Amino acid sequence: QQQVKQSPQSLIVQKGGIPIINCAYENTAFDYFPWYQQFPGKGPALLIAIRPDVSEKKEGRFTISFNKSAKQFSLHIMDSQPGDSATYFCAASRGSSGSRLTFGEGTQLTVNP
Amino acid sequence: DVKVTQSSRYLVKRTGEKVFLECVQDMDHENMFWYRQDPGLGLRLIYFSYDVKMKEKGDIPEGYSVSREKKERFSLILESASTNQTSMYLCASRGTGLNEQFFGPGTRLTVL
Repeated sequence: QQQVKQSPQSLIVQKGGIPIINCAYENTAFDYFPWYQQFPGKGPALLIAIRPDVSEKKEGRFTISFNKSAKQFSLHIMDSQPGDSATYFCAASRGSSGSRLTFGEGTQLTVNP
Repeated sequence: DVKVTQSSRYLVKRTGEKVFLECVQDMDHENMFWYRQDPGLGLRLIYFSYDVKMKEKGDIPEGYSVSREKKERFSLILESASTNQTSMYLCASRGTGLNEQFFGPGTRLTVL
């Protein structure tokens, strides 16, 4: 069973647009929510992460919005660039040591010039 | 920088063959993971290990086994490869007390 549901499966935007990728989780014990970015031919790499004690976290052009009551979180990419074209995965885990991550299905983002 | 290397980028095997996928990390991480990545299914955990000679099943362990004889090396074994094991296999490592997992580049396995 998929404990973290991600949408959309694919997304195409124009340069400068603001793609939004959404994730929903079921397990209320999850307390760490990272996003990983994967370029073709590479393994995923950590992009940004949030804990449920804050509702938003920004790092450069990337923002995570977190809604604990709805059990949802999303990734926003401001002023998107063709170099942001990649596959994005949300994930969740519980416990301070990180334990194991449960990943969403992934979103293939294409940013057209 | 953390480096996670995987023994092969591409591998083609026949049905019924025994297949070994090797992963090595250079950051003295205690925790290591094997995932498979399939379109539309994301990354699914096969097995993980939190110490040498220790292993735990993930979400899809059937048809796979693992070996961790040394801290830096984590092997995934397909005892008798089947066509439904054609996939991208990703290895990752993580230090104890830390959250970030570091991934290798992946091995694309095709079973004919």
